[in-house]
Amino acid sequence: QLQLQESGPGLVKPSETLSLTCTVSGASVSASLFFWGWIRQPPGKGLEWIGSMYYTGDTYYNPSLKSRVSISVDTSKNQFSLRLNSVSAADTAVYYCARRPAGREVDYWGQGILVTVSS
Amino acid sequence: DIQMTQSPSSLSASVGDRVTITCRASQGISNYLAWFQQKPGKAPKSLIYGASSLQSGVPSKFSGSGSGTDFTLTISSLQPEDFATYYCQQYNSYPLTFGGGTKVEI
Repeated sequence: QLQLQESGPGLVKPSETLSLTCTVSGASVSASLFFWGWIRQPPGKGLEWIGSMYYTGDTYYNPSLKSRVSISVDTSKNQFSLRLNSVSAADTAVYYCARRPAGREVDYWGQGILVTVSS
Repeated sequence: DIQMTQSPSSLSASVGDRVTITCRASQGISNYLAWFQQKPGKAPKSLIYGASSLQSGVPSKFSGSGSGTDFTLTISSLQPEDFATYYCQQYNSYPLTFGGGTKVEI
């Protein structure tokens, strides 16, 4: 059974970098034809796609965040990571990691991790 | 970016009611449209993909239709476990975008 688990600090100071890791079990992040990515949800608000990495290493980012975001993969640990620079209170959200088969919708989600940006 | 507009943003319904939620894309997305259900404190759950294909394990009271720019999600007979927020999402092109959500309340 595929499982995704987010980890990282729950509190980040303004202007610093938010770093999260998603550990995947039950599947390989190197598997063909899958995207691995991040989606966030501010408290009480809707869902926002942050970005994805294809199994080839190609990355796709939301233009609204593109200048501040990067997604990388560590195949040796079967993990992928999110870095979001220069955070502000507007980046406070539950962050979900997710898998999406090519040409399909997200089929597996992590449980989500709340990250609060505050001094 | 493709904008996804859901309506209504919230609705009140009773157990047994038939409920319809609509989602409109700002440009054509063929059938690359998914519907998700989200309950408080939980990750979204996929209900429908390809606009009308039921995800494995999802009860047949859920159905989706549409193509191009206009889509609907129908719940044929609302049950207590169906009270949740529903989101549409297009995966035709980047950036992937979600509708604003429809909260279904008792």
